[in-house]
Amino acid sequence: SQQGEEDPQALSIQEGENATMNCSYKTSINNLQWYRQNSGRGLVHLILIRSNEREKHSGRLRVTLDTSKKSSSLLITASRAADTASYFCATDSFGTYKYIFGTGTRLKVLA
Amino acid sequence: SQTIHQWPATLVQPVGSPLSLECTVEGTSNPNLYWYRQAAGRGLQLLFYSVGIGQISSEVPQNLSASRPQDRQFILSSKKLLLSDSGFYLCAWRPGTGYGYTFGSGTRLTVV
Repeated sequence: SQQGEEDPQALSIQEGENATMNCSYKTSINNLQWYRQNSGRGLVHLILIRSNEREKHSGRLRVTLDTSKKSSSLLITASRAADTASYFCATDSFGTYKYIFGTGTRLKVLA
Repeated sequence: SQTIHQWPATLVQPVGSPLSLECTVEGTSNPNLYWYRQAAGRGLQLLFYSVGIGQISSEVPQNLSASRPQDRQFILSSKKLLLSDSGFYLCAWRPGTGYGYTFGSGTRLTVV
């Protein structure tokens, strides 16, 4: 079963705008990660945020984590056409060796 | 630096035929290894993972199996493919718990 659920399922924005994607999960986690997948390709790791962290930045990416609400958000600022991809969150529960992925958000950035 | 190799990139197989997908990791030792499957337009489903040679954990009962004959080699197999086995298969590795995955480029399997 899926641990994470991304919202929205699809998002279409204009180049230069910010894109926000949300992820909700069900059980307590050790850490949460975000991945990007270009069409027909493997996934690329973007950011890992640990359960004791609330916010992390990497370039134009900002991830927040609210463990009380069991949710995370990924913000991409000043989006570019090259950001067009699917974005997945993945959670790693304590005592497990695996990440469970959400269903993904398909982002389309229009030039 | 560490690299992950997954092959083949695409595969078309008839129903009932066997399957063998191989994944190897270079530049590290004792990696955690994973096989995921992704149906078209869907999320990733964890199939198998291994935290050491000969240690395989199965997440989904099905006609697939996995083996880890060497420390950095992970093989996904089937004796008889079903139409429902079609999908995008991804191999991934990580050094251990608390780290992110590095994914291979994937194998697109079409069972006809």
